[in-house]
Amino acid sequence: EAAVTQSPRNKVTVTGGNVTLSCRQTNSHNYMYWYRQDTGHGLRLIHYSYGAGNLQIGDVPDGYKATRTTQEDFFLLLELASPSQTSLYFCASREDRVNYAEQFFGPGTRLTVL
Amino acid sequence: GDSVTQTEGLVTVTEGLPVKLNCTYQTTYLTIAFFWYVQYLNEAPQVLLRSSTDNKRTEHQGFHATLHKSSSSFHLQKSSAQLSDSALYYCAHSGGNYKPTFGKGTSLVVHP
Repeated sequence: EAAVTQSPRNKVTVTGGNVTLSCRQTNSHNYMYWYRQDTGHGLRLIHYSYGAGNLQIGDVPDGYKATRTTQEDFFLLLELASPSQTSLYFCASREDRVNYAEQFFGPGTRLTVL
Repeated sequence: GDSVTQTEGLVTVTEGLPVKLNCTYQTTYLTIAFFWYVQYLNEAPQVLLRSSTDNKRTEHQGFHATLHKSSSSFHLQKSSAQLSDSALYYCAHSGGNYKPTFGKGTSLVVHP
């Protein structure tokens, strides 16, 4: 069973604040993803990565940085948080050996920017 | 570019009646997989169904879907909706270069 964990689970910060969201997967998956989920927009891809040191741009990358330090760990960085970044953030991983492999999602981090 | 379009917003159905959630897509990639994910309240999305084979029905937990490349569709259906099916449903495809594409989601509410 895939295991993806996220921390913190809830975070409140102020406008202009610095936030780091963490994600760890223990299934030796090469691909990891960061999404934000908002009512009316569904899941939107922010950044993704194939392995340590690799970063790919998603569909809504503005205002976000990401870094993949190891195969297991993927971080999302908000350096100047804005209220528009208030959202529920999900991390996911998937293997790359088969075309039909699904994504395994973490439990999510709810971020509020005041 | 790639896109996935789902039945928008909210679908309500009476318990025991059939339900269908629509999903159509656009893609330039020939070899990709299609998924339905389900997200229950306060939980993470999880895969419900997957398919990469044209015109083959796939089933799980009473739900079924058939990929039709001729009409670019992958609709989700169930013959008898249950209260426990109330959730948010996402249609998605695996995309090219491992970049997935999700629809905006359809909320299903099953009422007694």
